[in-house]
Amino acid sequence: QVQLVQSGAEVKKPGASVKVSCKASGYTFTGYYMHWVRQAPGQGLEWMGWINPNSGGTNYAQKFHGRVTMTRDTSISTAYMELSRLRSDDTAFYYCARGVRRDYSSGWYFDYWGQGTLVTVSS
Amino acid sequence: DIQMTQSPSSLSASVGDRVTITCRASQGISNYLAWYQQKPGKVPKLLIYAASTLQSGVPSRFSGSGSGTDFTLTISSLQPEDVATYYCQKYNSAPALTFGGGTKVEIK
Repeated sequence: QVQLVQSGAEVKKPGASVKVSCKASGYTFTGYYMHWVRQAPGQGLEWMGWINPNSGGTNYAQKFHGRVTMTRDTSISTAYMELSRLRSDDTAFYYCARGVRRDYSSGWYFDYWGQGTLVTVSS
Repeated sequence: DIQMTQSPSSLSASVGDRVTITCRASQGISNYLAWYQQKPGKVPKLLIYAASTLQSGVPSRFSGSGSGTDFTLTISSLQPEDVATYYCQKYNSAPALTFGGGTKVEIK
């Protein structure tokens, strides 16, 4: 069965960086784009970007350009999301989610999600 | 950018009631729309994609309809386990993938 297992909770100071991992199993890792979505406490869902695990290509939401880096290690079927220059409003659950695309002209919806990683930014 | 507006933002209904949630896109998105359910303290779960296709394993009391700019998620007979926040998401074009603001469903 498909599983996405994320790394544990993190507490960081403002200005620091955080790197969250997402280990995939139960399917061919390179066959699906991996997306990252975040959710601040009590708030809605916010898409951050994707990585193509096959090529390593990425695309980030404009809001996070310059602060987010998504990478992968195909040898261990793991995707990573690093967010730098953290601020207090980056406090949120960060989810990885497997993207499903109907055709090459469309975007993706998400059929499997990781369990979420709480990142707390506090001085 | 295309904006997704959900209404209502919250609702309270009785067990067995028919519940309808609306999602409106600021521009046409054909049927590139998904619905998710997020129970309190849990991870979002895909309910519907392509506006009306039920994801495997989702109870048949859930249904979706619409195309273009106006979409609905219907729960035909609300159950206690349906207490959750529901989100729509448009995926008509890469790269921008946008969620609606959510609709919180409670039991009266």
